[in-house]
Amino acid sequence: KNEVEQSPQNLTAQEGEFITINCSYSVGISALHWLQQHPGGGIVSLFMLSSGKKKHGRLIATINIQEKHSSLHITASHPRDSAVYICAGGSQGNLIFGKGTKLSVKP
Amino acid sequence: DAMVIQNPRYQVTQFGKPVTLSCSQTLNHNVMYWYQQKSSQAPKLLFHYYDKDFNNEADTPDNFQSRRPNTSFCFLDIRSPGLGDAAMYLCATSRGWANSPLHFGNGTRLTVT
Repeated sequence: KNEVEQSPQNLTAQEGEFITINCSYSVGISALHWLQQHPGGGIVSLFMLSSGKKKHGRLIATINIQEKHSSLHITASHPRDSAVYICAGGSQGNLIFGKGTKLSVKP
Repeated sequence: DAMVIQNPRYQVTQFGKPVTLSCSQTLNHNVMYWYQQKSSQAPKLLFHYYDKDFNNEADTPDNFQSRRPNTSFCFLDIRSPGLGDAAMYLCATSRGWANSPLHFGNGTRLTVT
């Protein structure tokens, strides 16, 4: 069992829909990262959080430390949001990555 | 303004022929990481530097080596690439440990023929 689990693995949505991607972890972490990877490989850091909630534009990330669970929400989804979303958790230079959620937003 | 730059973007090498991938950063970050990502898999940490201190993951093959001659540059050397080493290689930096935001390069896609 991977120590960082994401769901769903694949997600198809219509433009405008509200999207939620979930991440559960079984290891102790000092921070949880949400990353976005577009086709072609480059990874962009979306959020790093250790408690509560963060918002950036249409993206919202939450974390519940007690439940070891984090969610990434996308409001008013757009085709340009199509990408693989990865959560990663860890400490001291030892990040454990989830396998990613492939999101496809259709116009 | 690219802050973590990987070269080349695509690299083709022959089976057994040494290859070097490079990463440079303009962020003056302490930590530089090298990850290997195979198709449809999560990135896997190969090693990282905290300043000059080198940390090798236990399961990183001996075939993989790294050099960090200064703060800005870090190199990944694959001494004798095998077909199984074909992957995307990602470089990332952070100011400190994993509770600092990560900054990734665009990756180098390695093909082994």
